[in-house]
Amino acid sequence: DGGITQSPKYLFRKEGQNVTLSCEQNLNHDAMYWYRQDPGQGLRLIYYSQIVNDFQKGDIAEGYSVSREKKESFPLTVTSAQKNPTAFYLCASSILVAGDPPLSGYTFGSGTRLTVV
Amino acid sequence: AQSVTQLGSHVSVSEGALVLLRCNYSSSVPPYLFWYVQYPNQGLQLLLKYTSAATLVKGINGFEAEFKKSETSFHLTKPSAHMSDAAEYFCAVSEPGGGNKLTFGTGTQLKVEL
Repeated sequence: DGGITQSPKYLFRKEGQNVTLSCEQNLNHDAMYWYRQDPGQGLRLIYYSQIVNDFQKGDIAEGYSVSREKKESFPLTVTSAQKNPTAFYLCASSILVAGDPPLSGYTFGSGTRLTVV
Repeated sequence: AQSVTQLGSHVSVSEGALVLLRCNYSSSVPPYLFWYVQYPNQGLQLLLKYTSAATLVKGINGFEAEFKKSETSFHLTKPSAHMSDAAEYFCAVSEPGGGNKLTFGTGTQLKVEL
């Protein structure tokens, strides 16, 4: 079945360490997104990519980095510069139609819960 | 710029009662609107969407929503709540020409009591 796979489901990081969250999709979607979810704040966009080797900052990109070397993969690195990284991270993907919103909405992965210890 | 406001971060209903979750949007052009549901420690699942066709939209699990342009609203309803409806619900908006991005509300946690 097609879908998005995020790994790991739970991740623990020591302060000062970089960690990378994996996101892989087999839906042949062009666009991929990373969101951060905190209680009471909804989903906030970190980065998004609409084409291989290109990506744009979202609303809260500071302390994060991404790459898009393959259409199927969009890993997120949480760097030591991110001062409050403990959160639930969601990856999503969508069909891309130039100039129009994603009529089918986004497909989401099951998330990675990152905790700083 | 597009945005959504979800009134009520927590809503509690009795099993069998009407569910009403509120969403108001702000958009400079006719938007596309979505409702998603999230169960604990899981991703978001699409419930229903409005994409400028019928203003009353039916989704999965018996939910429906009505697009009201005059009120800039897209409230989610279900006639009879079930225990399995307990989850967090998110409203989202996207504008044509807005770069294919969805903007989410802050979410409403629905509790269903016996």
